[in-house]
Amino acid sequence: GAGVSQSPRYKVAKRGQDVALRCDPISGHVSLFWYQQALGQGPEFLTYFQNEAQLDKSGLPSDRFFAERPEGSVSTLKIQRTQQEDSAVYLCASSVQGIGRTEAFFGQGTRLTVV
Amino acid sequence: AQKITQTQPGMFVQEKEAVTLDCTYDTSDQSYGLFWYKQPSSGEMIFLIYQGSYDEQNATEGRYSLNFQKARKSANLVISASQLGDSAMYFCAMREGRDGGYQKVTFGTGTKLQVIP
Repeated sequence: GAGVSQSPRYKVAKRGQDVALRCDPISGHVSLFWYQQALGQGPEFLTYFQNEAQLDKSGLPSDRFFAERPEGSVSTLKIQRTQQEDSAVYLCASSVQGIGRTEAFFGQGTRLTVV
Repeated sequence: AQKITQTQPGMFVQEKEAVTLDCTYDTSDQSYGLFWYKQPSSGEMIFLIYQGSYDEQNATEGRYSLNFQKARKSANLVISASQLGDSAMYFCAMREGRDGGYQKVTFGTGTKLQVIP
């Protein structure tokens, strides 16, 4: 497709369950970002990939969060042993690399609810 | 310290009037980019406008313009002739990092704009 695709759009998980969120970026986009957005807040940076290399994971809130992009295209954000505080919208974005206008294109997000 | 500061949690504007949404930023990089995004209640993030740190002229995109004051580290969004469909959250964001290398994009906390008929 032409845009960033995320799946599933909605996920309800029982506390303690593991979840996997998928992001399919725009073809050819080198940079891929994951953000966590709580209700009424701005997106909070989680992690960044340049191709398959995870260059920054400083925003991951705990070691229960893990992200990968093994072939430099599709990325998966995994949350182990989910907790209620993990409930949020998880946004994926991709962009070209380089100078100038390099806006990030966002997917529609995955709304995770932990019950 | 906050990288991006948006001090207006909420704003009201009369339809057809202009409105300015404030954004200040903090970076030690010489090369950076500033973006504004719109997020309607449906949740998607829509890119509005971009300003590069070396751009001498303020960016404009239709009814959107960016008032870039580099010395003050501010990048305010001006929306002219507001429309009801402009009601949304607006986020200021900054891209930092070496060109060709790692580039991090950080967002502010947002301003909720409501356009009044």
